[in-house]
Amino acid sequence: DADVTQTPRNRITKTGKRIMLECSQTKGHDRMYWYRQDPGLGLRLIYYSFDVKDINKGEISDGYSVSRQAQAKFSLSLESAIPNQTALYFCATSSGGYTEAFFGQGTRLTVV
Amino acid sequence: TQLLEQSPQFLSIQEGENLTVYCNSSSVFSSLQWYRQEPGEGPVLLVTVVTGGEVKKLKRLTFQFGDARKDSSLHITAAQPGDTGLYLCALRGAGGTSYGKLTFGQGTILTVHP
Repeated sequence: DADVTQTPRNRITKTGKRIMLECSQTKGHDRMYWYRQDPGLGLRLIYYSFDVKDINKGEISDGYSVSRQAQAKFSLSLESAIPNQTALYFCATSSGGYTEAFFGQGTRLTVV
Repeated sequence: TQLLEQSPQFLSIQEGENLTVYCNSSSVFSSLQWYRQEPGEGPVLLVTVVTGGEVKKLKRLTFQFGDARKDSSLHITAAQPGDTGLYLCALRGAGGTSYGKLTFGQGTILTVHP
């Protein structure tokens, strides 16, 4: 089983719909991140969390919200999806310091 | 906000050639990581550099951290088709509002032709 699991892997939704992307990890890490990847733009940080009570905005948080339900679970919501939120979304986890970030396999979201 | 610039954005070379990818920051950073991403997968860590002037080698890959801690490079010797992928540099914020943030450059798409 993967250490960082994202569900769903692929999703097509309509403009205006609410959608939730889920991430769970078995690494025991405190830190969790949500990124968005568009062609030619690398990974852009949406939100990050250092523990259940700590949520921080990243570079592109507008139009998104998150919930850290437990140390192992971090979900990303699009309250009212729009076509320019079509992208590949990655969840990642890490422990403190300069340690490695571990990524899920991504969720490909298409908003039509 | 600390920005990361990677260059080149695209690189297409023949097998056996050497190449260098650059990563530059708008300010000093405490550590920098290089990741490689293959299609359909999440990025995977290649190396972390922490000390100014540091050089690390990973088989045919050589990573350098600038003396001023504002830039880094990845050099691949005798590239192989298996090196094809997206190479990303990332920095971790050390303090203030950047503490703990992991910020990525826009990536270099490398294609190595047989």
